[in-house]
Amino acid sequence: EDQVTQSPEALRLQEGESSSLNCSYTVSGLRGLFWYRQDPGKGPEFLFTLYSAGEEKEKERLKATLTKKESFLHITAPKPEDSATYLCAVRPDSWGKLQFGAGTQVVVTP
Amino acid sequence: EPEVTQTPSHQVTQMGQEVILRCVPISNHLYFYWYRQILGQKVEFLVSFYNNEISEKSEIFDDQFSVERPDGSNFTLKIRSTKLEDSAMYFCASSEGGGDTQYFGPGTRLTVL
Repeated sequence: EDQVTQSPEALRLQEGESSSLNCSYTVSGLRGLFWYRQDPGKGPEFLFTLYSAGEEKEKERLKATLTKKESFLHITAPKPEDSATYLCAVRPDSWGKLQFGAGTQVVVTP
Repeated sequence: EPEVTQTPSHQVTQMGQEVILRCVPISNHLYFYWYRQILGQKVEFLVSFYNNEISEKSEIFDDQFSVERPDGSNFTLKIRSTKLEDSAMYFCASSEGGGDTQYFGPGTRLTVL
């Protein structure tokens, strides 16, 4: 059975304190791994797509990496506006459907 | 920047009533999706739609649910007879191709009393 597990469930950071979020997955095939940011009561906001092991994508203070079994989202020198829930989703070996993890809730305090 | 829009933002209904949730996908996108998120739980796939047909649906998407693209811009999700457990945030998403990134709307919060 396809599974997506994110850790930790919650993370509290001081402003400027870098950290990493983990997304481990077991799927029959992988046609993309996606990172989204979700603010309370809002829809997921797209951050990155990764397709193959070794791939890296970067945007401002965020960097996503992918291996054959997991992905990391690195947050460098976070600011309070980076506070959100970060969702990982995989597209298994079929077109379209995304399978989401439970998310990591990040709180960055000044 | 193009975005997916959804209406209404909040819908309150009585158990057993029919509701229609509306979405306007990004204009050049061809694939459309509905997901839902029960409070405190994961985002769950409901259905994907392409070329005026359902291409995939989950176990959640039973006979009470239907989708339609009534015109060139709207995409709707209908729940025929709502249950208490249908209370959730419903998200519409669209993508240019089936293998492309999905962009999500802001959601409709459905409350069934």
